Amino acid sequence: QKEVEQNSGPLSVPEGAIASLNCTYSDRVSQSFFWYRQYSGKSPELIMSIYSNGDKEDGRFTAQLNKASQYVSLLIRDSQPSDSATYLCAVNKWETSGSRLTFGEGTQLTVNP
Amino acid sequence: EPEVTQTPSHQVTQMGQEVILRCVPISNHLYFYWYRQILGQKVEFLVSFYNNEISEKSEIFDDQFSVERPDGSNFTLKIRSTKLEDSAMYFCASSPQVNYGYTFGSGTRLTVV
Repeated sequence: QKEVEQNSGPLSVPEGAIASLNCTYSDRVSQSFFWYRQYSGKSPELIMSIYSNGDKEDGRFTAQLNKASQYVSLLIRDSQPSDSATYLCAVNKWETSGSRLTFGEGTQLTVNP
Repeated sequence: EPEVTQTPSHQVTQMGQEVILRCVPISNHLYFYWYRQILGQKVEFLVSFYNNEISEKSEIFDDQFSVERPDGSNFTLKIRSTKLEDSAMYFCASSPQVNYGYTFGSGTRLTVV
């Protein structure tokens, strides 16, 4: 079983629509959860972090976490062509001495004008 | 906005040669990481570093790899004898606290020929 699994994509949505990205993780002791955006040939860019169950909103982005179901999602409202990228779900396990962020394989999103 | 700086942006080396990839993490960050991404694959953890020592390393990080923080600002990854399969994008990252998301540098594309 993969540690972090994302819906395989690619996902294509029209401009202005809601894009929904999903992620499940296998390790129940995972403690913090992140969504990164990666444009082709570029480095991952942190767009959302979520630490407790429920929803967290930041502008057009909403992250949702359900630890009982080991599920994290990202909603992008009013999608724009500039949102076209690969979205990476990342799960963190940490101790005082350090942490390990484990990434999923990513979901490629295309927003069509 | 503070950023993680990596040099060089692209390095070509012959198989068997040693390479050193350099990183300057964000100045008030305490935790440092190296990741790699083989073309078309997911972002993979290599090593985490805290308080001047390795806190965790992956199975990829074998005896050919080493990390060092030679002074208060630089963080380096050395690959002693490069193999063709070491060709990848190498990302340095840092975080201010252990449970925070990481800020990634722009990466070094390593090509082993």
